[in-house]
Amino acid sequence: DIQMTQSPASLSASLGETVTIQCQASEDIYSGLAWYQQKPGKSPQLLIYGASSLQDGVPSRFSGSGSGTQYSLKISSMQTEDEGVYFCQQGLKYPLTFGSGTKLEIK
Amino acid sequence: EVKLVESGGGLVQPGRSLKLSCAASGFSFNDYWMGWVRQAPGKGLEWIGEINQDSSTINYTPSLKDKFTISRDNAQNTLYLQMSKLGSEDTAIYYCARAVGVGMDAWGQGASVTVSS
Repeated sequence: DIQMTQSPASLSASLGETVTIQCQASEDIYSGLAWYQQKPGKSPQLLIYGASSLQDGVPSRFSGSGSGTQYSLKISSMQTEDEGVYFCQQGLKYPLTFGSGTKLEIK
Repeated sequence: EVKLVESGGGLVQPGRSLKLSCAASGFSFNDYWMGWVRQAPGKGLEWIGEINQDSSTINYTPSLKDKFTISRDNAQNTLYLQMSKLGSEDTAIYYCARAVGVGMDAWGQGASVTVSS
């Protein structure tokens, strides 16, 4: 199975701050990566697919980048509504696997 | 509006079986792969498996392949998850999701399953 390692496990950011979350795959996943946001008590929501494509309706302050085994999610200007847990997921090989999540809070 | 609604969750005794349903609406159900993901209390997301449009291909995470069965009824726009030999480790919220290439772009609200005597 492809292992997905996310970092950091948690972080706090001030309003307007730029936030970056990292995700490392145990092998090359050729941009087969998605990012999700999950708010407390809610189901996950797709933010980014194909490593860098923004899902419809997602604010443009979210962006994804990376290649090979290293990927990142950036929030260019932290907003209150961005609090939640963020997960990466590889979609290259079965079984699909998720990172362990990054909890993002407002400082 | 794309909508996925899970049902069938609840309290079940260890060793018993349970079947979840996921009713889809707002899109052409038989055009999409569909999948199941679960989340144990306070934990991360675990992919269970997914099924293609005509049920000819079903993929599972290996550790659950012998316990869980995914199926669908395109006439009823419904996805199913049959779970057997349940143990406490299966206590979780179970989500159905629409699969689109890399990623799952629509999720249900989740069905809570608690395995306890």
